[in-house]
Amino acid sequence: DGGITQSPKYLFRKEGQNVTLSCEQNLNHDAMYWYRQDPGQGLRLIYYSQIVNDFQKGDIAEGYSVSREKKESFPLTVTSAQKNPTAFYLCASSIGPTDTQYFGPGTRLTVL
Amino acid sequence: KQEVTQIPAALSVPEGENLVLNCSFTDSAIYNLQWFRQDPGKGLTSLLLIQSSQREQTSGRLNASLDKSSGRSTLYIAASQPGDSATYLCAVFRNYQLIWGAGTKLIIKP
Repeated sequence: DGGITQSPKYLFRKEGQNVTLSCEQNLNHDAMYWYRQDPGQGLRLIYYSQIVNDFQKGDIAEGYSVSREKKESFPLTVTSAQKNPTAFYLCASSIGPTDTQYFGPGTRLTVL
Repeated sequence: KQEVTQIPAALSVPEGENLVLNCSFTDSAIYNLQWFRQDPGKGLTSLLLIQSSQREQTSGRLNASLDKSSGRSTLYIAASQPGDSATYLCAVFRNYQLIWGAGTKLIIKP
């Protein structure tokens, strides 16, 4: 059963903590993406990766970090430098950068 | 800078009606335009992808059109059903990334 999984579904973070959101895909896609979604706004791109061991910053990369050591995995770390991290985070993948993107179910991060 | 706008932000219609959702973009130099559906608290599901050289795409009761010259796309939903209730987002692909609208929240009343 192919698809994209994200974990956890809900995550609570204390101020000053780093947290890592997991994203795994078994679609054999080369490209992977992290988006942030806030109420009333369109999705905003945090980071994207077109190939293993390579990634680029999106529009709002400050306070976030990623790695792409395996084709299947693209974890996102929300660092303490991100001043307003409470949001819904969506991971996606695609065969190539211009192809349809397939999304995971999302992780809702709340800062306490 | 490319901007994508979806109006209205919310729409409520009775079951069975045909309806049109709108998406406008400021820069016509796009590679493709995509429509997605998002159910509350969930991820997005791709509905239709229109290449810049195409004028429309159809899937079941859905038809999406693209007019690059006017910077507009429409998503037509025929014979709406309560299960169509969701937020519909459009996004344009340019410069190796998707630029997103904020979405239209659609409610189909039984």
